[in-house]
Amino acid sequence: QVQLVESGGGVVQPGRSLRLSCAASGLTFSSYGMHWVRQAPGKGLEWVAVISYDGSYKYYGDSVKGRFAISRDSSKNTVFLQMNSLSAEDTAVYYCARDRVPYGSGLDAFDIWGQGTMVTISP
Amino acid sequence: SSELTQAPSVSVSPGQTASITCSGDKLGNEFASWYQQKPGQSPVLIIFQDRKRPSGIPERFSGSKSGNIATLTISGTQAMDVADYYCQAWDSSTAVFGGGTKLTVL
Repeated sequence: QVQLVESGGGVVQPGRSLRLSCAASGLTFSSYGMHWVRQAPGKGLEWVAVISYDGSYKYYGDSVKGRFAISRDSSKNTVFLQMNSLSAEDTAVYYCARDRVPYGSGLDAFDIWGQGTMVTISP
Repeated sequence: SSELTQAPSVSVSPGQTASITCSGDKLGNEFASWYQQKPGQSPVLIIFQDRKRPSGIPERFSGSKSGNIATLTISGTQAMDVADYYCQAWDSSTAVFGGGTKLTVL
């Protein structure tokens, strides 16, 4: 069974850092681009970042560019999101999601989603 | 970055057809995808490449596009279809979501 499980969320103070993880099982992890998408409480979906299947390219949304970094460890079937200089506007549920097309551009639809991990930025 | 515009809410009677639209300049040359998010759950992909359904998605969900407007159509709407629906497209190397449409089945 294909599954994505996020972890690492919690409550942190403004200006601090946090690292999220997304562990994949039941799929050929190294064949797919992976995304992070977030959702602030009561709000819509906001795309955060993508990493290609081989890690050769990474793209970020404007609101996190320069503060967040996406990476992957194919030996552990895990994708990470390092979040720095956090502010209240980063409070959200963070989902990881798989790109639909194997060995693709990484810029397709998101066909498998995790359950999400909550990040709260509070003094 | 470009924007995708959706109506905040749509209401439909059980068994009737619901149409949810998404408009944006990039839709003229980029594919639209649609996601369903039920309360307290993660989003689910229901349409990709404007009109294709992933396996397991009921045939009552269909997608279309004309110019800069993509449309999600739900035929024979059921109570279980109550959810938020989001469109999504790519603007160069940035993914953009619409603001979401809350579907109510009255």
